[in-house]
Amino acid sequence: KNQVEQSPQSLIILEGKNCTLQCNYTVSPFSNLRWYKQDTGRGPVSLTIMTFSENTKSNGRYTATLDADTKQSSLHITASQLSDSASYICVVSLSGSARQLTFGSGTQLTVLP
Amino acid sequence: DAMVIQNPRYQVTQFGKPVTLSCSQTLNHNVMYWYQQKSSQAPKLLFHYYDKDFNNEADTPDNFQSRRPNTSFCFLDIRSPGLGDAAMYLCATSRDTAPGTETQYFGPGTRLLVL
Repeated sequence: KNQVEQSPQSLIILEGKNCTLQCNYTVSPFSNLRWYKQDTGRGPVSLTIMTFSENTKSNGRYTATLDADTKQSSLHITASQLSDSASYICVVSLSGSARQLTFGSGTQLTVLP
Repeated sequence: DAMVIQNPRYQVTQFGKPVTLSCSQTLNHNVMYWYQQKSSQAPKLLFHYYDKDFNNEADTPDNFQSRRPNTSFCFLDIRSPGLGDAAMYLCATSRDTAPGTETQYFGPGTRLLVL
């Protein structure tokens, strides 16, 4: 069964600190992996997308890594800001099919002043 | 610039009273999706349209229907809402479904409350 597991389920950090969110998946055949940020009461917004051959991708203070051999991804947030408080969702796509997205249940990040 | 627009942002309906949620897009994408997301859970795909072709997920209840009258608009109809249908409903679009074109862009969602 295709699954995406995220850890931790929730995380609280102080403003200015760094943090790393984890995503493990069993989806096969793998096409790509995305990290989305979902603010409370809002739709998800794409942060990064990585295909099988990509190991790392950055978007400002967000850096995602992918190890396709171990089927693990991480999202590193540098110098956190209060506006980073949100749910971060890892989404893995089956090869060649947009509808076959497997969502993780997200990591709820809270950044405190 | 708004790309995927959902109206209303909040919808309150009564148990059993039909309700329609609206989604429009300015991206001219071929594919439009409807997801249901309950609190602290991942979004769950209900169905999607590829152009005019409707694709229902096997476990989507019959209570949920959809219409896509043109490229820009897609509607979610809930024929007889139950208390368990209270959720955030997310609309998304993608240019196509082939690799490299399948990134989904989400709207802000409509939060449905059933009284």
